[in-house]
Amino acid sequence: KAGVTQTPRYLIKTRGQQVTLSCSPISGHRSVSWYQQTPGQGLQFLFEYFSETQRNKGNFPGRFSGRQFSNSRSEMNVSTLELGDSALYLCASSESGRAGETQYFGPGTRLLVL
Amino acid sequence: GNSVTQMEGPVTLSEEAFLTINCTYTATGYPSLFWYVQYPGEGLQLLLKATKADDKGSNKGFEATYRKETTSFHLEKGSVQVSDSAVYFCALTGTGFQKLVFGTGTRLLVSP
Repeated sequence: KAGVTQTPRYLIKTRGQQVTLSCSPISGHRSVSWYQQTPGQGLQFLFEYFSETQRNKGNFPGRFSGRQFSNSRSEMNVSTLELGDSALYLCASSESGRAGETQYFGPGTRLLVL
Repeated sequence: GNSVTQMEGPVTLSEEAFLTINCTYTATGYPSLFWYVQYPGEGLQLLLKATKADDKGSNKGFEATYRKETTSFHLEKGSVQVSDSAVYFCALTGTGFQKLVFGTGTRLLVSP
């Protein structure tokens, strides 16, 4: 099976712009989670989607949003970008999102905000 | 809330040395525990996991045992290789939730 894919791999944006990142989960996986990785804050949970519904949300401002489509592909959007949004954004998928289930990560999208 | 504490790095070892990376956790209920590894420029790969107390996860020579009495999940390997150089993350998911809570990561550097 193909792994989790994320596009684009790299992005450069300026403050105030918005950005959309895409994630395609492993075939058959219905749960998609998003994480932000920064040197200062480490790995932090953004949100999780299952069957097009957001089930869990981390402690991030409303500028961060996401959605999931009927084919389980997911997108996350960050509006009004700030310098501190520069990070590696990781997407992970699992079969049903049960606790203890293995989450498989994509290679990430590296976002640089200037 | 749930949290994970792991030893600061970098850990620098010679090839074939014994590796231990300490990880302790705070959680209510019965969390599942994971070790993930991140190679430069890549995402996270699951190394091993354990979902209940006294379970031992193992993969590629790495092992970790879920110790509820000490709330620990230390990573060990008997003989490290240069190719093991990476950043290792200990993580947990709480009861009923998929959200992973990560430690800060430990960089391992193995020299020939």
